[in-house]
Amino acid sequence: EIVLTQSPGTLSLSPGERATLSCRASQTISSSYLAWYQQKRGQAPRLLIYSASTRATGIPDRFSGSGSETDFTLTISRLEPEDFAVYYCQLYGSSPTWTFGQGTKVEIK
Amino acid sequence: QVQLQESGPGLVKPSQTLSLTCTVSGGSISNSDNYWSWIRQPPGKGLEWIGNIYYNGRTNYNPSLKSRILISLNMSKNQFSLELSSVTAADTALYYCARDWNYIWFDPWGQGTLVTVSS
Repeated sequence: EIVLTQSPGTLSLSPGERATLSCRASQTISSSYLAWYQQKRGQAPRLLIYSASTRATGIPDRFSGSGSETDFTLTISRLEPEDFAVYYCQLYGSSPTWTFGQGTKVEIK
Repeated sequence: QVQLQESGPGLVKPSQTLSLTCTVSGGSISNSDNYWSWIRQPPGKGLEWIGNIYYNGRTNYNPSLKSRILISLNMSKNQFSLELSSVTAADTALYYCARDWNYIWFDPWGQGTLVTVSS
C-alpha cells in the first residue's frame, strides 16, 4: 500500500506570499494519478489539480502543480484571502484503491 | 452539470448499520465514464476513501473497511447507496459522495452529511 505524506502540517503565511506544499509518496508513482484538492472550512473538497500538473476547470492560474516519482508540489504563487484552507493530495493506485494524504493547512499569519 | 446530494439518518446506534443514499442530478449513474464513490471525514481529521461502484455494479472497497461495507445502485432513481455495518464511535464522520471523474479524480462532491454513532 502506497502512503502519501504531506508537509508541512500547517503553513502560516500572509496574503500575497507564495505557498509551497509537499506530497511525498512511499514509492514511485505515476504522475498521471496524482491530484490536489482544496477544502475550505465547512465545505466539501474541490478538485484543484489532476495528473500532478493540470488545473481543473475554473481554477486560477496562481495554482500550479509539479513533481514526479515520489515528490510532488502544489504551489500557490500569491495567496489570496480565499486560498486559506486545507489542501489534500490524492493518489489512484493499483488494486485499485484511492488514497489521500493527511492534509496541509494554510493559515493566515 | 452533475450535482450530488447525500441523505440519511444523522444518528446511528453502536453495532447497528449506517445507511446513506446519494442522489445524482444533471447526469446519469449509468454513464460508463465514471465510478461513484463514498468518502468520509471524521471531525477535525482528514479524508478516507470508503469505496465506489461502477454502472454495471462492480465495486471497489477500502481494504480496512471491506468486511463491513456494501455499496449498491438504484438506476431507476439515479442513486447509489452505502451500508456500513457494526458501527462504532470511530465511524462518526462527515460522509461525502462524489463522482470518480475519469475513474480517478473526485469531482464533483456532494455537500456531505454528518453521521454520529452514539447510543
